[in-house]
This record gives sequence, C-alpha cells and structure tokens, in this order.
Amino acid sequence: EVQLVESGGGLVKPGGSLRLSCAASGFSFRTYGMNWVRQAPGKGLEWVSSISTLSSYIYYADSLKGRFTISRDNAKNSLYLQMNSLRAEDTGVYYCARDRRDTTDSFDMWGQGTMVTVSS
Amino acid sequence: QSALTQPASVSGSPGQSITISCTGTSSDVGGYNFVSWYQQHPGKAPKLLIYEVSNRPSGVPDRFSGSKSGNTASLTISGLQAEDEADYFCSSYARNSTLFGGGTKLTVL
Repeated sequence: EVQLVESGGGLVKPGGSLRLSCAASGFSFRTYGMNWVRQAPGKGLEWVSSISTLSSYIYYADSLKGRFTISRDNAKNSLYLQMNSLRAEDTGVYYCARDRRDTTDSFDMWGQGTMVTVSS
Repeated sequence: QSALTQPASVSGSPGQSITISCTGTSSDVGGYNFVSWYQQHPGKAPKLLIYEVSNRPSGVPDRFSGSKSGNTASLTISGLQAEDEADYFCSSYARNSTLFGGGTKLTVL
C-alpha cells in the first residue's frame, strides 16, 4: 500500500526536543522531494520544511529560526524532523507530505499526522 | 512570509456552485503559476484537489476547477454535494517555500 506514516509525537515541556519520523512505503521514496507541514489546533496549515531527493536542497520556514532540522534516509525510506527549543506555539499536528513527482509546488500524498503538544 | 488570504467561510445549497478566493502578492500567487488547493475533512489529512492553478490529479471530479487572475486565485466547486462540506486551503510556491491560506470552511446547507 502506498502510504506515509508519521510517529514520534507526544507531550514535551517548553525548551525540550522531539524527533519526528515518517515511514514511506509503496513507492520509490528516493525519487520524491518531501516536506513537513503542521497544523495548530483549529488553525490552518503551515509549511515547515522541505528536502530534495538527495538532501541537496533543504529549506525552512522563516518562523522556525533555526530550531528545526529536516533529514532523510533513502535506504530506510524515512523522513525525519528534529525539533529543538520547543515552544507552546509549536503545538499541533505534524504531517509529512510528498512532493508531486518532479515538482516542488504541491503535495500529492500526506500521512495521517502525529500530534505534538508543548506544555509544562 | 505572510499567509495567503481566504474567506473564513462560504456556504451553498446542494447543486449550486461556490467560489473560494485566495489572495496573495506578486511574490507568490501573482508571480508563479504554482497555486494548489487542498480539501480537508475533520480529523483527516489534506487531499490535493488542484495543482498549477487549474490542473486536477486523477480521481478528482471535474466539479472542482481552479483559476487565477493577478494576485488572486480561485477554486470553484459546481454541483455542490453534501460530501463537499470540508475545509479548503490554497497554497502557493514562494521562492523556496510554500505559503498556505488560512483556510475556508465550506458549509453545504
């Protein structure tokens, strides 16, 4: 089955860290760019970060100010997001999303999301 | 990187047509033909409806259509059906990033 499955979310105190994972299956993961998109409770979508097929191009939303790091392991068909210095405003559902083939302008497959709660 | 502007809500009766607007700037919506639209039902992941302003992925009904004029893109849903009730988000490429709109809640009356 073609799918993306996120994991690693949970409750963390302000200032803490979390590492999210996204396991891909059913398609050639190494040939697609990947992204993380988050959604605060009851709010809209916010693009977080993107990474190209060979990790040559990596971009982040300006609002993150260097606290997050995206990475991928094509041998393990996995995408990661290391989140440090977490704040309450980082609370939300984090989705991994696949770029449409050979493009970077839209996301044609999404995982079910993993919830991150930053609270003391 | 400011979010794109969408109306908070729209509504329509079954069979009718509705249009959702998405306004950006010349640095995003107006500068590229890379506007996408997503549908999200409560508790579910978003689903791609439209890419590159007006193209539909396979499996998306032709009741959904997209267009753009200047800095404003639009999603039109014709022949509204009950299952179209959902949140709709636009997005635009914006120089090595992606901007989303705030979302529009569609209510089918």
